[in-house]
Amino acid sequence: KAGVTQTPRYLIKTRGQQVTLSCSPISGHRSVSWYQQTPGQGLQFLFEYFSETQRNKGNFPGRFSGRQFSNSRSEMNVSTLELGDSALYLCASSLTAGRETQYFGPGTRLLVL
Amino acid sequence: KNEVEQSPQNLTAQEGEFITINCSYSVGISALHWLQQHPGGGIVSLFMLSSGKKKHGRLIATINIQEKHSSLHITASHPRDSAVYICAVRQGAQKLVFGQGTRLTINP
Repeated sequence: KAGVTQTPRYLIKTRGQQVTLSCSPISGHRSVSWYQQTPGQGLQFLFEYFSETQRNKGNFPGRFSGRQFSNSRSEMNVSTLELGDSALYLCASSLTAGRETQYFGPGTRLLVL
Repeated sequence: KNEVEQSPQNLTAQEGEFITINCSYSVGISALHWLQQHPGGGIVSLFMLSSGKKKHGRLIATINIQEKHSSLHITASHPRDSAVYICAVRQGAQKLVFGQGTRLTINP
């Protein structure tokens, strides 16, 4: 079974631009969570989606948004990029939401100049 | 104070040594996760615990719910165990909250 895939793997943007990141979960998994990892703040939770519904949201500004499609694939969007948005963005999938082992993708490394 | 505290932050040991990484948390939880992150970023879930002890190969994870504490042990450590180990807790069906990670280096 293929693992969690994320595209693109690397991305360079400039301040003010927007970016869309994609995550394809393991086949059969219906829950997708997104995380941001920076050297200063470590891993932080962004969103969790299950069956196209956002179940949980972290403490990030409204510039960060996401969605999940009927095939469980998920996208996250960051508008009006800031230098501080430079980070590794990870998604993880699980069979259902809540108390499940999560399987992480390789991440998308975003650099904002 | 962070909800999840790990110690030590950095640990260097010689190959073959017994390793212990600790995680303390301040909230009631439904599950605790131990994750491993190698250079390059990929994260692997090692254990998910809600009570007791789990073992997988040379890795052992324990949790004491009353004391709000978990430990990750590595027996007969090897240079390939060098990675960042991250503890994360979940309250009910809420989001995962992460510790700051422990950077482990095993020298040959």
